[in-house]
Amino acid sequence: DAGITQSPRHKVTETGTPVTLRCHQTENHRYMYWYRQDPGHGLRLIHYSYGVKDTDKGEVSDGYSVSRSKTEDFLLTLESATSSQTSVYFCATGGTSGGTGELFFGEGSRLTVL
Amino acid sequence: KNQVEQSPQSLIILEGKNCTLQCNYTVSPFSNLRWYKQDTGRGPVSLTIMTFSENTKSNGRYTATLDADTKQSSLHITASQLSDSASYICVVSHNTGGFKTIFGAGTRLFVKA
Repeated sequence: DAGITQSPRHKVTETGTPVTLRCHQTENHRYMYWYRQDPGHGLRLIHYSYGVKDTDKGEVSDGYSVSRSKTEDFLLTLESATSSQTSVYFCATGGTSGGTGELFFGEGSRLTVL
Repeated sequence: KNQVEQSPQSLIILEGKNCTLQCNYTVSPFSNLRWYKQDTGRGPVSLTIMTFSENTKSNGRYTATLDADTKQSSLHITASQLSDSASYICVVSHNTGGFKTIFGAGTRLFVKA
């Protein structure tokens, strides 16, 4: 196992509230990713990081921000949660750029926005 | 546009039977293709990787094939077990700029006793 832990694993919140999901890795992988997974869709990239303080947007980044102050931690923040952000969020890490190598996934964080 | 299409969306088979899952892609230029297995409530785990020069690779009862000319891959599961019930996700990487990995929507496999 790649040693990726996500917290919280489950969260219910109300529209308009801020939410932060945390991803912690023990593998010292350079690259970290946040995906969301919804029925009928493949995993869609929200943001990714290629190093401490180095992040970039993915295909569905609107309404999300990220931060990476340490190699091992990658935070995903929803500044003002909306019902369309109800989803399962997965953090992944990898050793190669662009996600072309093997990705190691966390167990997921299920977020419900009421 | 780079896309990955998987079929069928879902599949039900009896324990002990074989099955084949399909993946068609339009990703170019091709770098590699991976199959991931995702158990319910868990994150995906890599099963196998195929590069341009490989056309068959096995991992236990799982055999992946790749036809780079037709841009198709398949995942064949032999002698299915209840534990094979999961989603199987095809992931294709390319060699151009930007983020390089495209995920299929997955095939949901149900193995029944």
